[in-house]
Amino acid sequence: KQEVTQIPAALSVPEGENLVLNCSFTDSAIYNLQWFRQDPGKGLTSLLLIQSSQREQTSGRLNASLDKSSGRSTLYIAASQPGDSATYLCAVPPEGNTGKLIFGQGTTLQVKP
Amino acid sequence: DGGITQSPKYLFRKEGQNVTLSCEQNLNHDAMYWYRQDPGQGLRLIYYSQIVNDFQKGDIAEGYSVSREKKESFPLTVTSAQKNPTAFYLCASSIDRGNYGYTFGSGTRLTVV
Repeated sequence: KQEVTQIPAALSVPEGENLVLNCSFTDSAIYNLQWFRQDPGKGLTSLLLIQSSQREQTSGRLNASLDKSSGRSTLYIAASQPGDSATYLCAVPPEGNTGKLIFGQGTTLQVKP
Repeated sequence: DGGITQSPKYLFRKEGQNVTLSCEQNLNHDAMYWYRQDPGQGLRLIYYSQIVNDFQKGDIAEGYSVSREKKESFPLTVTSAQKNPTAFYLCASSIDRGNYGYTFGSGTRLTVV
């Protein structure tokens, strides 16, 4: 059974720092991995989608990497800003790809001005 | 702009009442999903539908019902059998079974009064 873990659960950094959020999964037979952002009381916003054949994806100050063999993905945020404060979730489809997503518990990021 | 619209944003339910949460998408996605989010428990799948007139139970379907009469719409009814319905409900869609990622709505917060 696929399990997704995100470490750390919470992170507080000063503005301008580069930071890395971690996501690990137990079953390496994934189709893709998606990173989301969630602001308090809001829905999920897709940040990056990495297909199983890809090693990384970039969007602006965000870079996500995927290492299937080790069951890990990282989300790198460059030059963090207070507006980056949110909860970040990673998710993978389980074996069989029925369309369901398995989510990690999330990392809540606070960027202090 | 294409997207997913969830309504209402806030919903209050009295004991013993059934309530229906609306989810509409104009992305031409085949698959639609309902997730429930509780503090400290992450997101859990309630129901999902991969094609019109077909849907499957997720991990926590008891006390909920859905219909998929149109491709664009996937309403969720929270019945009186759901004993603890207070939560944040998120609707999502994907082109197929998620090979190209998922799009989420802005959520409905349901509170029992």
